Order: sequence, then structure tokens, then C-alpha cells
Amino acid sequence: QKEVEQNSGPLSVPEGAIASLNCTYSDRGSQSFFWYRQYSGKSPELIMFIYSNGDKEDGRFTAQLNKASQYVSLLIRDSQPSDSATYLCAVNSQRGGSEKLVFGKGTKLTVNP
Amino acid sequence: DVKVTQSSRYLVKRTGEKVFLECVQDMDHENMFWYRQDPGLGLRLIYFSYDVKMKEKGDIPEGYSVSREKKERFSLILESASTNQTSMYLCASSLFRVRYDEQFFGPGTRLTVL
Repeated sequence: QKEVEQNSGPLSVPEGAIASLNCTYSDRGSQSFFWYRQYSGKSPELIMFIYSNGDKEDGRFTAQLNKASQYVSLLIRDSQPSDSATYLCAVNSQRGGSEKLVFGKGTKLTVNP
Repeated sequence: DVKVTQSSRYLVKRTGEKVFLECVQDMDHENMFWYRQDPGLGLRLIYFSYDVKMKEKGDIPEGYSVSREKKERFSLILESASTNQTSMYLCASSLFRVRYDEQFFGPGTRLTVL
């Protein structure tokens, strides 16, 4: 099982809809979960992080974490064309030695006007 | 604003050449990282450093080495470049340890090895 798995997409939603991005992870010891956004040709930038089970909201973005199911998701409400990007899920892991961040392969989101 | 800079945006090298990729951060961050990003494979950690003169192997260290002589600078070295090292290389830094902190990425260096 890969350490961090995401649906590669592409995921296409109409403007104004809710986009739902999902991520599962394999290391039960993981405690920190990050969502990065990467526009085409640009570097990743952090949009959300979550440490505790439940929901965390920041504007139009909500991160959801379920440690028992080893599942983390990102909801984008009222999606805008400017949200079109690849979303990377990242999870801390100590497998194999020192703690590091393990990234999923990303889900490409397209928001259609 | 945190700024992470990388020495080149685009680089073309020949097989067998020694290649240096430089990364500098201006926020006094303790931790620095080198990743490569390839289509279908995502971001993969090559090496990282939690302190000056300290380095640790990531998931794909083969064919690479690093140097961190000063806190703000982290260099990635390809001792003998090969075509399978053609990739986008991203440097990142963070203030605190991985568990608690955001990583700030540089603009990336697209390396082509011919």
C-alpha cells in the first residue's frame, strides 16, 4: 500500500459547486496532515493543515480528518475557476527513520465557468 | 515574506557532468529539503537537513549528495548526471520540525540531462 494515496483525477466541477478531494494514508502514527495547492508551472503552497479528528474550516476550505479510517479530505465550497490547480495531500511519517513529509501524487481540479 | 530562491529556473547538462543546484532561504529556517517532481510520481524527497552540516537521506538519495555549510544554503549535487535525473527539482524550508510546520517551496529548477 502506498503511503499517501489520492485520486489522480482530473476532477471537474462547475463554478459554484463543492469540490471534494480525498486522501488516505497508511502510517497509523501520522499526526499532521497538510493540503498544498500547486498551480500549473508553480510551486506548491500550503492552504490547510489539520492535526485533530473532525473538521477545520478556513474561508471556503474545510479539511476533514478521520484517524480511525486513516482518511483526510479537503472540501472547497463555492468553487471558483481560480481554484483550478493540483491539490497535494501531505502526511508526516516516521517510517524508515527520521520524520519527514510524504506527499500524495495530487488530484488535478478543474473548475468550469 | 519567506523567500526561498533557487539558483536556476532551467538547466541543461550533459550525461556525466557534475551538477550543482543551489537553494537559499532568508528566514533563518532550521530545516531544508530537496524534492524532485515527476509526472505520475509526485513529489519525492531526496535529502533533507535539520541543522547546519547535518544531512539525512530521503526516499530516493541514490545518485545525489548534499551540502549544508551555512544555515541559509542547501546544495544538491549530482555527481555524474544521468538522463533519468531529468526532472523538476524543488527546494523547501521550514522553521520547525515536519510535524508542526509549513514547508515553503522555491520556484524550482527544471533540469534536463542530455
